[in-house]
Formats: sequence, C-alpha cells, structure tokens
Amino acid sequence: EDKVVQSPLSLVVHEGDTVTLNCSYEVTNFRSLLWYKQEKKAPTFLFMLTSSGIEKKSGRLSSILDKKELFSILNITATQTGDSAVYLCAVEAGTSYDKVIFGPGTSLSVIP
Amino acid sequence: GAGVSQSPSNKVTEKGKDVELRCDPISGHTALYWYRQSLGQGLEFLIYFQGNSAPDKSGLPSDRFSAERTGGSVSTLTIQRTQQEDSAVYLCASSLTGAQPQHFGDGTRLSIL
Repeated sequence: EDKVVQSPLSLVVHEGDTVTLNCSYEVTNFRSLLWYKQEKKAPTFLFMLTSSGIEKKSGRLSSILDKKELFSILNITATQTGDSAVYLCAVEAGTSYDKVIFGPGTSLSVIP
Repeated sequence: GAGVSQSPSNKVTEKGKDVELRCDPISGHTALYWYRQSLGQGLEFLIYFQGNSAPDKSGLPSDRFSAERTGGSVSTLTIQRTQQEDSAVYLCASSLTGAQPQHFGDGTRLSIL
C-alpha cells in the first residue's frame, strides 16, 4: 500500500532557529513529491520535486529529494512566527491517472 | 477571484440528514480532487475527477458517500445519512489536466450533531 510518512509530527522552536522537516515515502510509480503549507484553511503550494539532488529554494525555505533513499527534507532557516503552520508532504504516483498521497503533516510552532 | 471556491464554508446538521458540498474549481482545470481532513490529521483522499469521469473512487469511505461532476466544472460531494464520524473539513482542489500542483479551496467544515 502506498504511504507517506512525516517526522516529526510536531515541533516547537524559537524565532531564528533552523528547522528540518522530513518526509519518506513508499509508492508505486513515483512521479513527484510536493510540499504544502497549511495555516488555517487551504494548503498552499511550496515546492514540487521530481529529480534527485536538485535543491529547490524560495527565500528561507529549501527542499531536496533523494529518490534512491525515498525521502525529502524541507529546511527553514531563520524561522519567523509567520512560519507557524502545518507542513504537508504529498507524493504523486500512478500511471493511468493521478494519485496523490498526503502525509500526516508536521505542525510547526515558532515562538518569539 | 480566480481560486477554488467551496460552499458552504460551514455546515452543521443533525445525524441522519443528507448533506451536499459544492466545489467550483479554477476555470480550465480539468482535474478535481476531494479530500477529508479530520482535526489534527493529514488529508485523506476521497475521489479524483478527470473531466466528468472519476477513475479512482477507492477513497470514498462508504456507500453513503458519492460525488459527481458535470460539465467538467462544478462538483458536488454528497453524504447520505450522516454520522458523527463524518465531522471533518472537506477540501476540494483542482489542477490543470491533472498536473501538479493542486490549488485548494478553503474547505467546508462539516459538524454532525
């Protein structure tokens, strides 16, 4: 059965800290891995990764994929209170149609 | 706005009633997804539409759940004879031709009394 696992499930840090969120997966016919940020309502897209070893970067956030070891990390440097959210990892898999499996999410709280 | 629109934003109903949730995707997006998110949990896949067809209905929790999409646009998720365990946020997302990423609506918060 396809599955996506995230760790830690929750994390509390102080402003300015650097955090690393983990996502591992076991799926059939991997196509891409995506990270979303969910604050109060709708998840918003952060990154889409399809190739191993190529870092995607946006401001203080960055992410990389390892297709051999079947995992991805999301790094946030110099955290701010506005980074507090649930970070969702999702894997797109399948052949004839799109199947997207979400992990349970990591709840990040950044305290002043 | 040009985003995914869901209605109602909140729904409170009594156990045993039927409910209908609506999703209006981004114009031109052929792929549409429904998810359920219980408190503190990740997203549980329910159903996926490509156009008006649903090739994957495996995520629907029971036969009380059904979904349809007409005209390749608006979709409705219907829950019959609601149970308390149906209480959750129901999220809809759309994407262009099934390519990622998905664009999410704000969800419908369903509460069954």
